[in-house]
Amino acid sequence: AQSVAQPEDQVNVAEGNPLTVKCTYSVSGNPYLFWYVQYPNRGLQFLLKYITGDNLVKGSYGFEAEFNKSQTSFHLKKPSALVSDSALYFCAVKGGATNKLIFGTGTLLAVQP
Amino acid sequence: SAVISQKPSRDICQRGTSLTIQCQVDSQVTMMFWYRQQPGQSLTLIATANQGSEATYESGFVIDKFPISRPNLTFSTLTVSNMSPEDSSIYLCSVETGRRGYQETQYFGPGTRLLVL
Repeated sequence: AQSVAQPEDQVNVAEGNPLTVKCTYSVSGNPYLFWYVQYPNRGLQFLLKYITGDNLVKGSYGFEAEFNKSQTSFHLKKPSALVSDSALYFCAVKGGATNKLIFGTGTLLAVQP
Repeated sequence: SAVISQKPSRDICQRGTSLTIQCQVDSQVTMMFWYRQQPGQSLTLIATANQGSEATYESGFVIDKFPISRPNLTFSTLTVSNMSPEDSSIYLCSVETGRRGYQETQYFGPGTRLLVL
């Protein structure tokens, strides 16, 4: 069965510092991997996805993610964090027999000024 | 991408009543989904709604409790029936765009925040 793990409930980072939000996955076959962001009292916004090709994927708001097949990871990164990046981030995977989108538990990113 | 709207954006309801949530998309889509996000939790898929066929429900969700309509390619409704406080959640509509098996991406509506007293 496919699954997604986000090992950190919360990540704290100072504004201007690089940030990483971790995600690992388990799926049979080739995975489709996604990152979404949820701002307070808002729905989910699509950030980026990996389907195939270049392992480094660039997305909205300066975010990027690196697909690592050997480590089954898809960590979200940004070189310089902004206070406005503070939100709840969800990693999701699609693949295997069900082809459903399965979400991780979410990581709260807090960027301090 | 797709622009998705939901009505109502939030509601407070009494137990035992029902609420119908509407989802409108700005383009025709085949696949629509309904998710629930309980307080402080991740998203759980309730059902998949394809136009012209019965909705497919996930384990733990039944049609009597969450009836879904999909009358056309741009609209769907989810009804939360006979509500109890445990139904207090955010309900999100989602659509899938892109070529199936290659570039599909799910986009989400703003959600409906439901509080059942």
